[in-house]
Amino acid sequence: EPEVTQTPSHQVTQMGQEVILRCVPISNHLYFYWYRQILGQKVEFLVSFYNNEISEKSEIFDDQFSVERPDGSNFTLKIRSTKLEDSAMYFCASSEPSGGPFTDTQYFGPGTRLTVL
Amino acid sequence: RKEVEQDPGPFNVPEGATVAFNCTYSNSASQSFFWYRQDCRKEPKLLMSVYSSGNEDGRFTAQLNRASQYISLLIRDSKLSDSATYLCVVNTGSYNQGGKLIFGQGTELSVKP
Repeated sequence: EPEVTQTPSHQVTQMGQEVILRCVPISNHLYFYWYRQILGQKVEFLVSFYNNEISEKSEIFDDQFSVERPDGSNFTLKIRSTKLEDSAMYFCASSEPSGGPFTDTQYFGPGTRLTVL
Repeated sequence: RKEVEQDPGPFNVPEGATVAFNCTYSNSASQSFFWYRQDCRKEPKLLMSVYSSGNEDGRFTAQLNRASQYISLLIRDSKLSDSATYLCVVNTGSYNQGGKLIFGQGTELSVKP
């Protein structure tokens, strides 16, 4: 069964450093997403991406964040200058264009645990 | 008001029990509705979509009431393996902007022998 994969599984970084989280969405999917979950809190939407551009972003997704699809398979989330409060689990998700992006099931990757020291 | 609000939990039930989770959402323009399951420190996994007519998948039954903006999940004959956090999820995306899932806080279920 196709699945979303993410690397690394755990990233430890120093405050102020740049990190890039990588995702490989399911191959025939066209919509891509990043979500995050701070420990003990709910899953929060960060950004959606379609046709090589951002479709929507949340208030959390400020200028420190960027996304990119550098090739036909990878989807990345970059945090330019990490803060302590960026420590969280970051989930990538993708969906296929069947009924429409607002009805399609989103499939989640296993997540990258980011720890900012 | 929270966008998606769930029963606080935790729910501690014996094997074989029937347990019900409730959820309300605030955005009346929401397009689609789901229950996801999340095991400790793992990714959310789709349990089932929720339709206005109600739908059933084995021991699981989901209901949606758009007028009341209310979603429910019923688990019958609960198993030890049902122990997890159940997430009520609403898609508030639009055709032009793509999907956007809004998650509830989750309700923890613990099924005991």
